[in-house]
Amino acid sequence: NAGVMQNPRHLVRRRGQEARLRCSPMKGHSHVYWYRQLPEEGLKFMVYLQKENIIDESGMPKERFSAEFPKEGPSILRIQQVVRGDSAAYFCASSPSSGSAYNEQFFGPGTRLTVL
Amino acid sequence: AQSVTQLGSHVSVSEGALVLLRCNYSSSVPPYLFWYVQYPNQGLQLLLKYTSAATLVKGINGFEAEFKKSETSFHLTKPSAHMSDAAEYFCAVSPISGGYNKLIFGAGTRLAVHP
Repeated sequence: NAGVMQNPRHLVRRRGQEARLRCSPMKGHSHVYWYRQLPEEGLKFMVYLQKENIIDESGMPKERFSAEFPKEGPSILRIQQVVRGDSAAYFCASSPSSGSAYNEQFFGPGTRLTVL
Repeated sequence: AQSVTQLGSHVSVSEGALVLLRCNYSSSVPPYLFWYVQYPNQGLQLLLKYTSAATLVKGINGFEAEFKKSETSFHLTKPSAHMSDAAEYFCAVSPISGGYNKLIFGAGTRLAVHP
């Protein structure tokens, strides 16, 4: 059973470009979370999605960031017009369909974004 | 708002020594509590979780943690450190309400194990 897949593992962008980060949850999981880890810091919640729905985006910056989880295909975190401060590791996690508050989240290996 | 404080950003122990990583939470009601481990350039792996059952929780790799409501603490321990335990450890809380698991992480503690 494959774990949570994220690609690319490393992404380099110049200021002003767009970054697209992909996350394929574990088989049977329909709940996806995105977290950002800045250097020397813990992970910070960004957004929680179910299939075709954004449930909680309270941790997402208001501008330039968007997320989706379509009916088919991976979840996408999109960052438009990237700036150096966006450089971080972005982690995706998935949990089972029941979505209980104490269900374990399974984390992917992360995408390390570097903005030049 | 809930928060997590991990005392000590770096902890160094000798192989075979006791490991103690501290975590205190701030919450009006006891939340769900988790410890995760992160190895270099990898994602997070769950070590253990507290979900209001037994206050002493046993996890993988010989780790355990004790929930102490009076101290609002959830410290992680291991009786004897192994070289392979060197990693970064994160304590996290999740509010009970809401029906989903929005994790709030501490800043992490990097554990070094020396021979």
